[in-house]
Amino acid sequence: GQNIDQPTEMTATEGAIVQINCTYQTSGFNGLFWYQQHAGEAPTFLSYNVLDGLEEKGRFSSFLSRSKGYSYLLLKELQMKDSASYLCAVRDQNGGATNKLIFGTGTLLAVQP
Amino acid sequence: DGGITQSPKYLFRKEGQNVTLSCEQNLNHDAMYWYRQDPGQGLRLIYYSQIVNDFQKGDIAEGYSVSREKKESFPLTVTSAQKNPTAFYLCASSINGGVSNQPQHFGDGTRLSIL
Repeated sequence: GQNIDQPTEMTATEGAIVQINCTYQTSGFNGLFWYQQHAGEAPTFLSYNVLDGLEEKGRFSSFLSRSKGYSYLLLKELQMKDSASYLCAVRDQNGGATNKLIFGTGTLLAVQP
Repeated sequence: DGGITQSPKYLFRKEGQNVTLSCEQNLNHDAMYWYRQDPGQGLRLIYYSQIVNDFQKGDIAEGYSVSREKKESFPLTVTSAQKNPTAFYLCASSINGGVSNQPQHFGDGTRLSIL
């Protein structure tokens, strides 16, 4: 079956670092995306991993280990505006040659002063 | 500015009524998608279209219908057969429908409620 697991909620302090984990079990693997979604708004693209390793983009980094079915999103120098849901999405091979994604339930991050 | 426009932002449906949610993009993207988002659940794919005049069922297509007569438009109709339509509906598009590093871009969503 297909399954993507993320923690439901996390809390962190302004200025700190937080790591949001995502584990997946899918029929094959063709890439993993991280999105940020503020309440009632559109998800916005943060990062993409298809090969093992770390992708860095400013304050945000994303890591992938395909052998472990594991990814994490690392947020540094947390700001209050980073309070949002973070969605992990996997493109599996059941989608064939399509850009179909399977989404996790999202991790609601609360950044406190 | 290029983007994806969904309308209306809020929509109310009466019992037995069909309603249509609009999704328009001016990004010149080939592929478009409709998702449903419920509390405590991930986004679930309703329908997707890789190219104009073609579309495919997603994981929860029952009670929904779509059309793709123009590249920039992908309206979703929630029919009376959909017994639990209350949800947040998100439309997305991507440059193409194939496997690539190109992400899906989302509209601001339509919140549908039952009267």
